[in-house]
Amino acid sequence: QSVLTQPPSASGTPGQRVTISCSGDSSNIGSNYVFWYQHLPGAAPKLLIYRISQRPSGVPDRFSGSKSGTSASLAISGLRSEDEADYYCASWDDSLSGWVFGGGTKVTVL
Amino acid sequence: QVQLQESGPGLVKPSETLSLTCSVSGGSIGSYYLSWIRQPPGKGLEWIGYMYYSGSTNYNPSLKSRVTISVDASKRHFSLKLSAVTAADTAVYYCARDRTTLMGMDVWGQGTTVTVSS
Repeated sequence: QSVLTQPPSASGTPGQRVTISCSGDSSNIGSNYVFWYQHLPGAAPKLLIYRISQRPSGVPDRFSGSKSGTSASLAISGLRSEDEADYYCASWDDSLSGWVFGGGTKVTVL
Repeated sequence: QVQLQESGPGLVKPSETLSLTCSVSGGSIGSYYLSWIRQPPGKGLEWIGYMYYSGSTNYNPSLKSRVTISVDASKRHFSLKLSAVTAADTAVYYCARDRTTLMGMDVWGQGTTVTVSS
């Protein structure tokens, strides 16, 4: 059972906007930054969003992150076939003094 | 460009110790942390622990009694040891450069699959 809660799946057609939620509590998302990782099958996870809404160099601006209270969201606009992947949210947890992850959301492009 | 590569036995017997190495190439991890993360089959990511470049460590409380992370003198080979393994420790194990709670884990290895079975 993951500390952060994500929906197991999300889907959309090419060009659509897809949003993935990530729910935590006051010891993690509520008081720390949120990060998002993209995990393509057979590949290493890739940092997609850091510090809630910042994109590392090379990440398209189709990906955006936000946070409100103890929840966060990742939005993918202009959905493309190459966006099919698992997406994980992560945050530092002050109670555990460690990183916690969500269970992952599989995005399917229909 | 820093690259990380995990290596180690793909099969470990129950009750034995799992030992993996994360080799750093193309530079160093700098003044950051080196984290180990795993993903059991069909499940999400789980943080195992990290070592700071200075040598201090921090482990996931759920694994703390069985985990040891260390580094060699060159600071280019980090090791993960997990003792008394069970089938629940079967997973893909990743190492990642952890640039703290400000920047996240920005470089990851490809991962190595470890199966616990007799």
